Amino acid sequence: QKEVEQNSGPLSVPEGAIASLNCTYSDRGSQSFFWYRQYSGKSPELIMSIYSNGDKEDGRFTAQLNKASQYVSLLIRDSQPSDSATYLCAVSDPGAGSYQLTFGKGTKLSVIP
Amino acid sequence: KAGVTQTPRYLIKTRGQQVTLSCSPISGHRSVSWYQQTPGQGLQFLFEYFSETQRNKGNFPGRFSGRQFSNSRSEMNVSTLELGDSALYLCASSLGGEPSYEQYFGPGTRLTVT
Repeated sequence: QKEVEQNSGPLSVPEGAIASLNCTYSDRGSQSFFWYRQYSGKSPELIMSIYSNGDKEDGRFTAQLNKASQYVSLLIRDSQPSDSATYLCAVSDPGAGSYQLTFGKGTKLSVIP
Repeated sequence: KAGVTQTPRYLIKTRGQQVTLSCSPISGHRSVSWYQQTPGQGLQFLFEYFSETQRNKGNFPGRFSGRQFSNSRSEMNVSTLELGDSALYLCASSLGGEPSYEQYFGPGTRLTVT
């Protein structure tokens, strides 16, 4: 049973601070990693994908992957109240012919003005 | 480029009935995946279709089925509805292979079973 674990939160950070979201996964064969943002009552929105060890930056977002530790993280710099949402970590193993995403339960982030 | 569309957006059904949900993927995407989201279980994978063939299937009973058409549009069907089927049903569109495995979600269909 593939598992993806996230702290459920809520994680509260002040406006302008760095928010750090963490995720661990059980399937060592996982090759593709994604972060989605989901606002209340809305569908998940893809914000980052990462496939190789190391950091990947996109604007205020940085995804970090460490396959040896089976760990993925998302850093949000200069957090804004509009970043308040639930962040979902997802993994897949397309190399094994499995394109399905396995999701964590999500971390709820609140950015306090 | 237009995003993923799902119809209907909301549905109310009675136990024992059946329901069909529709999904139109992003133009050029050949893969459609379906997920169920509930407060207790989170997002769970139902099945994935690629070029009209079911490529992966999640751990759901046979009451849940789907299909994909030649234009990549997909439908999922739930027969003999149960109260526990009340959920947000999401479809996700992707290329289905290299160079990107990213999946983009539609707005979802909120199904309520009474």
